[in-house]
Amino acid sequence: RKEVEQDPGPFNVPEGATVAFNCTYSNSASQSFFWYRQDCRKEPKLLMSVYSSGNEDGRFTAQLNRASQYISLLIRDSKLSDSATYLCVVNTGGFKTIFGAGTRLFVKA
Amino acid sequence: DAGVTQSPTHLIKTRGQHVTLRCSPISGHKSVSWYQQVLGQGPQFIFQYYEKEERGRGNFPDRFSARQFPNYSSEPNVNALLLGDSALYLCASSLARPQHFGDGTRLSIL
Repeated sequence: RKEVEQDPGPFNVPEGATVAFNCTYSNSASQSFFWYRQDCRKEPKLLMSVYSSGNEDGRFTAQLNRASQYISLLIRDSKLSDSATYLCVVNTGGFKTIFGAGTRLFVKA
Repeated sequence: DAGVTQSPTHLIKTRGQHVTLRCSPISGHKSVSWYQQVLGQGPQFIFQYYEKEERGRGNFPDRFSARQFPNYSSEPNVNALLLGDSALYLCASSLARPQHFGDGTRLSIL
C-alpha cells in the first residue's frame, strides 16, 4: 500500500462546477498536511495547509480527518485557470515528506 | 526576496557519468530537501539536509549523495547514472513547514 494515495483522475469538469479531491495516508503518526498545485512542467506550489478544524481560502476548502486518515480538497466555482495537477502532501514527522501521485483536473469552457 | 533557485535548468548526461546539481534556498531557510519527479508521478523524497547534515532519506541508493554548505545551499551528486535517473529534480527549502520549491533541474540520461 502506498503511503499517500490519491485518485489519479483525470477529472473533467465544466467551468463553475464544484469538484472534490480525496487523499488517504497510511502513517497514523503523520503530523502535517498540505495541498500543492503543479502546472505542466512546472514546480509544485503550495495551495494550502490542511487542519483538522478545516480551512478555507476563497473557493478552496481543505479538511483533515485524522481518525480516518483522510484529507480532502474542495474547489467551488471552478475556473479554467484551476486546470492543473493537485498533489496531496503528508509530513510523517521528522524530515520525511511524502507526496501523492497527484490528481489531474481539467476545467473546460 | 529571491525564491529557491536551482541550476542548471536542463542537463544531458550519458549512462555511467556522474552529475552535480545546485540549489540556493530562500534566505533564512536552513532546511533543504531534494525530490525526484518522473513524468506522471508525484515527487519522490530523496533526502533532506539541515545544518549541513543529512536528516532523512527516502528509498534511493547510495549513488545519491549531497552536501549542504554553511550558507545552506546544497549540491546533490548522483554517480553511475542510469537511464532511470532521467527525471525532474526538485529542491525545496523551508524554515519549518511548508516547503517552497525551485523550478527544478530536468536531467536526461542518454
